[in-house]
Amino acid sequence: AQSVTQLGSHVSVSEGALVLLRCNYSSSVPPYLFWYVQYPNQGLQLLLKYTSAATLVKGINGFEAEFKKSETSFHLTKPSAHMSDAAEYFCAVATWRGKLTFGTGTRLTIIP
Amino acid sequence: DTGVSQDPRHKITKRGQNVTFRCDPISEHNRLYWYRQTLGQGPEFLTYFQNEAQLEKSRLLSDRFSAERPKGSFSTLEIQRTEQGDSAMYLCASSLEQGADEQYFGPGTRLTVT
Repeated sequence: AQSVTQLGSHVSVSEGALVLLRCNYSSSVPPYLFWYVQYPNQGLQLLLKYTSAATLVKGINGFEAEFKKSETSFHLTKPSAHMSDAAEYFCAVATWRGKLTFGTGTRLTIIP
Repeated sequence: DTGVSQDPRHKITKRGQNVTFRCDPISEHNRLYWYRQTLGQGPEFLTYFQNEAQLEKSRLLSDRFSAERPKGSFSTLEIQRTEQGDSAMYLCASSLEQGADEQYFGPGTRLTVT
């Protein structure tokens, strides 16, 4: 069975500061990994995905994530936070059939 | 590309009533998924279709829940005899194929059972 653990249900950073959202996964096979963002009362939007190509993955809105097999991690980063980044972020792992297993989410707050 | 649409966006119903939700995926997408999201949690997988075939159902999907995708296009999710525990956001997603293909999510249907 696959699972995802997101450390920190709430993260607050100052505008312009580094954003780091943590995700650890468990998978018996090489995983497909995703980060999604959810704004209030909306569906999920894909930020980026890892599919066993480059270990450093660049996504939309300046976000990137690095796949580290030895640490079973897929942390999400952004060098400089913007007010519009305030949202809920979900890490997810997929089976080959495409079924997504999500973490419990991290709510990101940006401090002006 | 009109994206994934869901109808209705909000539904308030009384306990014991039946409700039906509709999802229209992106037109060329073969895969369609249903997820349920409760407050403060990540979405949980319910079921998925490859064209019109329902290939997997979660144990979360009790016998009160049924999903169909009759012509491999839109899908419906019906909940019979609703319970307060069914209150949640029901999300639909679609993708071209499986595995690494990203799923595009609709805006969701928020169900409130009173």
